[in-house]
Amino acid sequence: DIQMTQSPSSLSASVRDRVTITCRASQSIASYLNWYQQKPGKAPKLLMYGASSMQSGVPPRFGGSGSGTDFTLTISSLQPEDFATYYCQQSYSTPITFGQGTRLEIK
Amino acid sequence: LHLQESGPGLVKPSETLSLTCTVSGGSISSTTYYWGWIRQPPGKGLEWVGNIYYSGSTYYTTYYNPSLKSRVTISVDTSKNQFSLKLTSVTAADTAVYYCATGIGRDYPSGVDVWGQGTTVTVSS
Repeated sequence: DIQMTQSPSSLSASVRDRVTITCRASQSIASYLNWYQQKPGKAPKLLMYGASSMQSGVPPRFGGSGSGTDFTLTISSLQPEDFATYYCQQSYSTPITFGQGTRLEIK
Repeated sequence: LHLQESGPGLVKPSETLSLTCTVSGGSISSTTYYWGWIRQPPGKGLEWVGNIYYSGSTYYTTYYNPSLKSRVTISVDTSKNQFSLKLTSVTAADTAVYYCATGIGRDYPSGVDVWGQGTTVTVSS
């Protein structure tokens, strides 16, 4: 199985801050990397696919980059509704695997 | 496309967990979507359980997480537009929120873009 490691595990930030979350794969996954946002008690929501393609309806302050083993999710200007847990997921091979999550909290 | 899970919220250890996902707004016989289950233990991350795909001519193909493969079965009921999960010999480690979900492609290269609301299953005597 491909292991996905996110950093940091948790992060405190303020509204209007720029935030970057990192995801590293245990082997190259080309650009087969997706990002999700999950709020408490809710199902995850797809934000980005293919490392840098934005899902329809996602605000443009979200951006993704990377290829191979190293990927980032950037939120350019945090909004109150962005405080949540974020997960990366590799879609390179079965079984698909997720990172352990990054909890983004209000400072 | 909308997905809705249903099933018992409490299962005894060593018994079988059975959940159903009802699909609305689309057909379970679509050759586009891979219909799957993803679970999340309390306070933890996401784990893919498996998925099922209609490959045509009434034939469905299943893919399972190797860590669960010996205990998992995913099947389809086309008459009800539903797919189901059975997990045998459950233990407390199977306690989780179970999501039914779907997307395009076996490994969801375009992401898992439709999720059910999730159903909590607790394994306890």
